[in-house]
Amino acid sequence: KQEVTQIPAALSVPEGENLVLNCSFTDSAIYNLQWFRQDPGKGLTSLLLIQSSQREQTSGRLNASLDKSSGRSTLYIAASQPGDSATYLCAVSSSGYALNFGKGTSLLVTP
Amino acid sequence: DADVTQTPRNRITKTGKRIMLECSQTKGHDRMYWYRQDPGLGLRLIYYSFDVKDINKGEISDGYSVSRQAQAKFSLSLESAIPNQTALYFCATSDLGRGGLDTQYFGPGTRLTVL
Repeated sequence: KQEVTQIPAALSVPEGENLVLNCSFTDSAIYNLQWFRQDPGKGLTSLLLIQSSQREQTSGRLNASLDKSSGRSTLYIAASQPGDSATYLCAVSSSGYALNFGKGTSLLVTP
Repeated sequence: DADVTQTPRNRITKTGKRIMLECSQTKGHDRMYWYRQDPGLGLRLIYYSFDVKDINKGEISDGYSVSRQAQAKFSLSLESAIPNQTALYFCATSDLGRGGLDTQYFGPGTRLTVL
């Protein structure tokens, strides 16, 4: 069974810092990996999706990398802002449809 | 308007009651999913459907049933609710687009409390 782990569980940084969120998975046979953002009381918003054949994806201040062989992905957030405060979830698709989620990293960016 | 909607958004019920959670989508996607989220456990898949006639159990389907009434509608039922089904429930949709991408789009969630 695919196990997805996210480290750290919580992170607090001052505004303007660059930061890295980590995700690891146990089975390297994946179709894709997706990063989501979850705000309190709201649903999940897809941030980036990386196919298994790709090494990274970028969207604005966000960059996600994938090292399938080592079972790792990182989400890099540049120049963090208070509006980035949320829980970030990593999810892996090993079947092409169903997602296995990590427990998330709770990020707080302080002004 | 939201692409994926869920009703109700909040529900409090008692043990033994039958509950239905509804999901509708306007994205035109064939695939729909139900997940539950529990503190400390992350999201887990309950059921998924590839089309109206294709429904499959997920990781934690016991105690739940689903109905795919149309391409756009996917309902989750708790036939006899129990307290450990208290959780945040999410509906999601996806479609295999060009290149095999299968980005999932989530609804806002239904917070269910079973007393």
